[in-house]
Amino acid sequence: DAGVIQSPRHEVTEMGQEVTLRCKPISGHNSLFWYRQTMMRGLELLIYFNNNVPIDDSGMPEDRFSAKMPNASFSTLKIQPSEPRDSAVYFCASSRVSGGGANEQFFGPGTRLTVL
Amino acid sequence: QQQVKQSPQSLIVQKGGISIINCAYENTAFDYFPWYQQFPGKGPALLIAIRPDVSEKKEGRFTISFNKSAKQFSLHIMDSQPGDSATYFCAAQGWSSDMRFGAGTRLTVKP
Repeated sequence: DAGVIQSPRHEVTEMGQEVTLRCKPISGHNSLFWYRQTMMRGLELLIYFNNNVPIDDSGMPEDRFSAKMPNASFSTLKIQPSEPRDSAVYFCASSRVSGGGANEQFFGPGTRLTVL
Repeated sequence: QQQVKQSPQSLIVQKGGISIINCAYENTAFDYFPWYQQFPGKGPALLIAIRPDVSEKKEGRFTISFNKSAKQFSLHIMDSQPGDSATYFCAAQGWSSDMRFGAGTRLTVKP
């Protein structure tokens, strides 16, 4: 079975450019999470969706970041304009949340973003 | 965001030794406490998880000890192996809240 798929795996861009990160969650999962990982701040939750609806975006650093989930099998995280401090590894994770509460999150391989 | 405190930041253990990583949480609404293992260049992957109705859970060489009154939980890795060298994250989640991760512990097991 395919796990969470993220693309691209690596992205190098220049300051001011638009960056779009993509995620395909595991089929049948109804929750999707975007995380950012840096040495300084560890693993930070940026936003999560339940049944394609954004539930909590309080972790989104600023208006330059936006995320969408147009359907159950695809999500994007966009940074416009990008800045060097956005350099990090961005992870997408998905889970199947039922009435029983929290469940395992399955992480993708991540996108390593470098903004020059 | 940091509601889960993890220590130590890094840990070096000899092969065959016991690795112990500790976490403390604040929110009493948390009811799911997983540990994730991350190898370089990979995403975190669930290692073992516990819910607060039990005080201990063991899976192979990995054991979670949970102290609800102290709001603390720990991961014990028995007979540590070089292949266990990775970064370990504790986490906590409530029924209606998102998952909060600790800062991570970089474990090195020396042969």
